[in-house]
Amino acid sequence: AQKVTQAQTEISVVEKEDVTLDCVYETRDTTYYLFWYKQPPSGELVFLIRRNSFDEQNEISGRYSWNFQKSTSSFNFTITASQVVDSAVYFCALSEAEGGSQGNLIFGKGTKLSVKP
Amino acid sequence: EAGVAQSPRYKIIEKRQSVAFWCNPISGHATLYWYQQILGQGPKLLIQFQNNGVVDDSQLPKDRFSAERLKGVDSTLKIQPAKLEDSAVYLCASSLEGTPRVEQFFGPGTRLTVL
Repeated sequence: AQKVTQAQTEISVVEKEDVTLDCVYETRDTTYYLFWYKQPPSGELVFLIRRNSFDEQNEISGRYSWNFQKSTSSFNFTITASQVVDSAVYFCALSEAEGGSQGNLIFGKGTKLSVKP
Repeated sequence: EAGVAQSPRYKIIEKRQSVAFWCNPISGHATLYWYQQILGQGPKLLIQFQNNGVVDDSQLPKDRFSAERLKGVDSTLKIQPAKLEDSAVYLCASSLEGTPRVEQFFGPGTRLTVL
């Protein structure tokens, strides 16, 4: 069965601190995709990154970076030098690439990040 | 490019009443999704359409929920009758195709409160 676990329910940091959001996933598929979405208070989910199971290369985009490790089934997200605008709920999600229900996103419960000035 | 539109943004009803939500996906997007997001949890897929056909409705409570996507564009999600546990945000998303290789774009959601 597919499952995404985000063990951190809430994290609070002070501006300019680095913060890492953890994500652990379970799947029996050999081909799958992992995602991170941001949900600000407005409620709309904003896509941040997609990574397929064959690409374990870490990615950096500005202050954001992602660490994908198949050996530990983890896809962690780090924000460097956090800012108040980073305050939001962050969701990790998994999607299988095979079968009839492709595209269905399995979400974790989310981590609420509060960045204080 | 216009995003995914949803209406209404907020709805308050009493239990056992009916309610309907509307979604207009991004133009040209063949795949449309309805997700339910209960407070404090991640979104959960209710139904996935490919054009006007249903791909996956395995998690849709069919005794009270129904959805349609006539003409393969707009979609409506209906709840009849509503229960207290249906209080949630209902998110509509669309994508060019129904695979994880392309991004899903989400609408602002409809926040439903059942009293």
